[in-house]
Amino acid sequence: AQRVTQPEKLLSVFKGAPVELKCNYSYSGSPELFWYVQYSRQRLQLLLRHISRESIKGFTADLNKGETSFHLKKPFAQEEDSAMYYCALWIEGGKLIFGQGTELSVKP
Amino acid sequence: ETGVTQTPRHLVMGMTNKKSLKCEQHLGHNAMYWYKQSAKKPLELMFVYNFKEQTENNSVPSRFSPECPNSSHLFLHLHTLQPEDSALYLCASSQGTSGSINEQFFGPGTRLTVL
Repeated sequence: AQRVTQPEKLLSVFKGAPVELKCNYSYSGSPELFWYVQYSRQRLQLLLRHISRESIKGFTADLNKGETSFHLKKPFAQEEDSAMYYCALWIEGGKLIFGQGTELSVKP
Repeated sequence: ETGVTQTPRHLVMGMTNKKSLKCEQHLGHNAMYWYKQSAKKPLELMFVYNFKEQTENNSVPSRFSPECPNSSHLFLHLHTLQPEDSALYLCASSQGTSGSINEQFFGPGTRLTVL
């Protein structure tokens, strides 16, 4: 069965510290993964997708098929990065399977 | 209004009431989605519509009845709900459903409370 797991409900770091939000998936097909972000009082929005191999707001994520992971990383966290982050797996028919979400709190 | 809009933003209803949630997208997209976000649970896909045709019903109870009269509008009709149906209901839209390149754009959600 398809599943996305984000093991941390809350991740708290200090400004300038490195950040890694973990995501693991289970899927028998070829995985296509995304990170979505929800800032306070804003709607859910796409942060990045693995297929684009892009860096958005300093965040990167590499798909590791051997470890079935798609961890989100940033070398130096900023206070404005504080938000809820959701990892999502795309499967056919436009269906997105979301993880439980990780709340990132960046302290000054 | 641009993007994806949802009304009402908050709704309180009794278990015997009938109400409807409305979603409208102003992006020219062809696919629309309903998601449910409960406390302590992941965001769950409920329904997918592509070109007004329902292509996915994720084992949703019949007390939730979707309607998609055109590609810009999506409704979720609610009838005889249970308190455990209290959640944030999110609508999303995308250009299509045939590839992951089709980014889903989300609305702000309707916070539903069932008494």
